[in-house]
Amino acid sequence: EAQVTQNPRYLITVTGKKLTVTCSQNMNHEYMSWYRQDPGLGLRQIYYSMNVEVTDKGDVPEGYKVSRKEKRNFPLILESPSPNQTSLYFCASSYETPGIAAPNTGELFFGEGSRLTVL
Amino acid sequence: TQLLEQSPQFLSIQEGENLTVYCNSSSVFSSLQWYRQEPGEGPVLLVTVVTGGEVKKLKRLTFQFGDARKDSSLHITAAQPGDTGLYLCAGAGAGGTSYGKLTFGQGTILTVHP
Repeated sequence: EAQVTQNPRYLITVTGKKLTVTCSQNMNHEYMSWYRQDPGLGLRQIYYSMNVEVTDKGDVPEGYKVSRKEKRNFPLILESPSPNQTSLYFCASSYETPGIAAPNTGELFFGEGSRLTVL
Repeated sequence: TQLLEQSPQFLSIQEGENLTVYCNSSSVFSSLQWYRQEPGEGPVLLVTVVTGGEVKKLKRLTFQFGDARKDSSLHITAAQPGDTGLYLCAGAGAGGTSYGKLTFGQGTILTVHP
């Protein structure tokens, strides 16, 4: 089954304790991206990757790191989490980078989300 | 930073009514997508519009991309309780430093009452 898998789905941690949220896709997609979702703010892009070893900052990259050593994996690292990083996080992948002209739709396939609470 | 203003933020209507959700920006997008999200799940793509002025229909849903590719609308005819959910628009960057970036609107929470 084609899917994007995130782990953990739920996590409560404390300020300053490093954590990693893993993301894996089995669709051989080139493009992967991380978003955080907060009430009233929609989805905000944290980092994205258009291919292996190629990553770029989204709109809210501060406090986060990513890596893309393999095509299928795109982990999100919080080196020193703070309470303002409490949020619902989504990983997504796409066959090609969104924005490329039709017929490719740049459809994003999302994971089920990881709810992170930083105390 | 490209911004997408989505309105209204909340919409509560009766079954059978029509509604329109708007997505507006001062930036040009190479394409614009509409997603729907259910509680506890990730968003799922409804449609992508690419050409200025493009109109796409998906059963009772009609999507339009503005001529200048800066805005879009989602119109639902005869809404049903099954349409309840969070609707999100997302614009893809139009090249340069925006390439690869996907900007989402704030979302519209739609509730359709039987």
